[in-house]
Amino acid sequence: DGGITQSPKYLFRKEGQNVTLSCEQNLNHDAMYWYRQDPGQGLRLIYYSQIVNDFQKGDIAEGYSVSREKKESFPLTVTSAQKNPTAFYLCASSRTGWGYGYTFGSGTRLTVV
Amino acid sequence: AQTVTQSQPEMSVQEAETVTLSCTYDTSENNYYLFWYKQPPSRQMILVIRQEAYKQQNATENRFSVNFQKAAKSFSLKISDSQRGDTAMYFCAFMIPFGNEKLTFGTGTRLTIIP
Repeated sequence: DGGITQSPKYLFRKEGQNVTLSCEQNLNHDAMYWYRQDPGQGLRLIYYSQIVNDFQKGDIAEGYSVSREKKESFPLTVTSAQKNPTAFYLCASSRTGWGYGYTFGSGTRLTVV
Repeated sequence: AQTVTQSQPEMSVQEAETVTLSCTYDTSENNYYLFWYKQPPSRQMILVIRQEAYKQQNATENRFSVNFQKAAKSFSLKISDSQRGDTAMYFCAFMIPFGNEKLTFGTGTRLTIIP
């Protein structure tokens, strides 16, 4: 079955560490997105990519980095520069061109310890 | 920049009743798409319904329907015959096609169906 897989489901980070969240899709979608979800704030866009080897900053990109070396994969690194990384992170993918909705992964809960 | 506003942080309704969730948006674009997503306690985001702005007919999906008022920039979701499985966060979202196709989300409405 086609879908989008995020791992791990839960992740704990120590102060000063970088961590990488995985996102893989087998839907043959061109576009992929990373969102952060905090209580009362909805979903905010971190980074997005519409084609391999190209990506763009979203609304809250500071302290995060991404890569898009393969169509199927769009990993997100939360760097030590992100001062408040505790949140729920959602990855999504979509076809492009006609306002298709996104398919979301099941999310990663990141906690700073 | 586009904005999406959901003015009802929480709502509750008795099972089998009808409930309407409100959403307004702001844009100067004429061609766009609107969505309602459901996020149950599992936190999996599920697409409920999609509306194309150039279509005047309101979208429906089984018990879910929308009231799309383009001039008023309003996009409400009606859930008929509500069921316990409808308990979730509901997010309204907006997209302009043929560009970066970013989804802009509202802050959500937490809906509780009371048995």
